[in-house]
Amino acid sequence: DSGVTQTPKHLITATGQRVTLRCSPRSGDLSVYWYQQSLDQGLQFLIHYYNGEERAKGNILERFSAQQFPDLHSELNLSSLELGDSALYFCASSSGLTLDMNTEAFFGQGTRLTVV
Amino acid sequence: AQTVTQSQPEMSVQEAETVTLSCTYDTSESDYYLFWYKQPPSRQMILVIRQEAYKQQNATENRFSVNFQKAAKSFSLKISDSQLGDAAMYFCAYRSADTGNQFYFGTGTSLTVIP
Repeated sequence: DSGVTQTPKHLITATGQRVTLRCSPRSGDLSVYWYQQSLDQGLQFLIHYYNGEERAKGNILERFSAQQFPDLHSELNLSSLELGDSALYFCASSSGLTLDMNTEAFFGQGTRLTVV
Repeated sequence: AQTVTQSQPEMSVQEAETVTLSCTYDTSESDYYLFWYKQPPSRQMILVIRQEAYKQQNATENRFSVNFQKAAKSFSLKISDSQLGDAAMYFCAYRSADTGNQFYFGTGTSLTVIP
């Protein structure tokens, strides 16, 4: 158990809908990262939050947004869903702002989103 | 941008034998980190082993070792004495030492262990 909790584990929704994925980082971790894993693909970086502030953006669509709350949990909001948004969405957390050799990122078990 | 390539979508190994998973990457940076992650059916991403680019010595963790060839930009994972529990998807990943908050992952290699 990595200590990172993601809910829900599975989500099935229709095209055009909006969903919210939730991530609770490890206790004390200030950084939260979101990744998307589509079928037969590696994980693609979406966004990084540190202590409530957005720090870096990757290949995140405009239909997607995220935030990190004062209690450090994070939510990833996906709207106007399309079939191609079906994927595993992972959250990872770490203690500091930057990752070095001695600071590791810990991944949750992901949320599997299926858009039908 | 950095890219990571895993050219073996699937591999299989007999239990107790040795298998090597391949990974190549492309970067113009001189200092970076390389990782192998294991993703079993539980979907949990588990760190297997990591290597810092400026360290020439290959990393080892029990039955897992790497062959890091910096000039060739190659980072292969060797699993010795394979066990049934090693069956999983394995991802190679790159992370910059300078702007190091983002992982770049390969597309993965699915490893089957044959009893």
